Amino acid sequence: NAGVTQTPKFQVLKTGQSMTLQCAQDMNHNSMYWYRQDPGMGLRLIYYSASEGTTDKGEVPNGYNVSRLNKREFSLRLESAAPSQTSVYFCATGTFRSGANVLTFGAGSRLTVL
Amino acid sequence: KQEVTQIPAALSVPEGENLVLNCSFTDSAIYNLQWFRQDPGKGLTSLLLIQSSQREQTSGRLNASLDKSSGRSTLYIAASQPGDSATYLCAVTRGQNFVFGPGTRLSVLP
Repeated sequence: NAGVTQTPKFQVLKTGQSMTLQCAQDMNHNSMYWYRQDPGMGLRLIYYSASEGTTDKGEVPNGYNVSRLNKREFSLRLESAAPSQTSVYFCATGTFRSGANVLTFGAGSRLTVL
Repeated sequence: KQEVTQIPAALSVPEGENLVLNCSFTDSAIYNLQWFRQDPGKGLTSLLLIQSSQREQTSGRLNASLDKSSGRSTLYIAASQPGDSATYLCAVTRGQNFVFGPGTRLSVLP
């Protein structure tokens, strides 16, 4: 049971390069999320998708695009990477349990932009 | 805008001690509060969920309390073990929206 799988785990980019972070889940959850985690700042929401075919901006969407390809997959694209996007990126899925939204996280993707 | 803080930022204790981690939030209009554990290089694992109508939840050696009126939650860890060493994050939730604290890095020394 893989849960939430993110690829790649590590990536180094030069300023201006583009790349896509992939996320796939086998939990049959409707909601999917992309967060970034920076030292001392907690996790900040970039984009989320409440269901297949819908996406919404989170707290820090600038410089990113997302695509909810199907129920299983939610990708995050950096069109022109900047050093400020150096971070650890987490994908998560959400499902309601006992009236609360409970998140399941992937292992993270560490991105360095030079 | 909801802001979440956690004190202390880091904590080091000898094995066997009981300890308390603190989480504060500015807007009491929350639905739930969750505590997560994060091991180095890994994602977050949910530990405890407290719904807004509840005051506490327990799981094994962990007990979390919630006081919405004062905007505070505490995570109590009893009889700490080296395996408890990790970063602990709290998050307040309102529907689909989660706001995370920066975390407390805990080291339990053998």
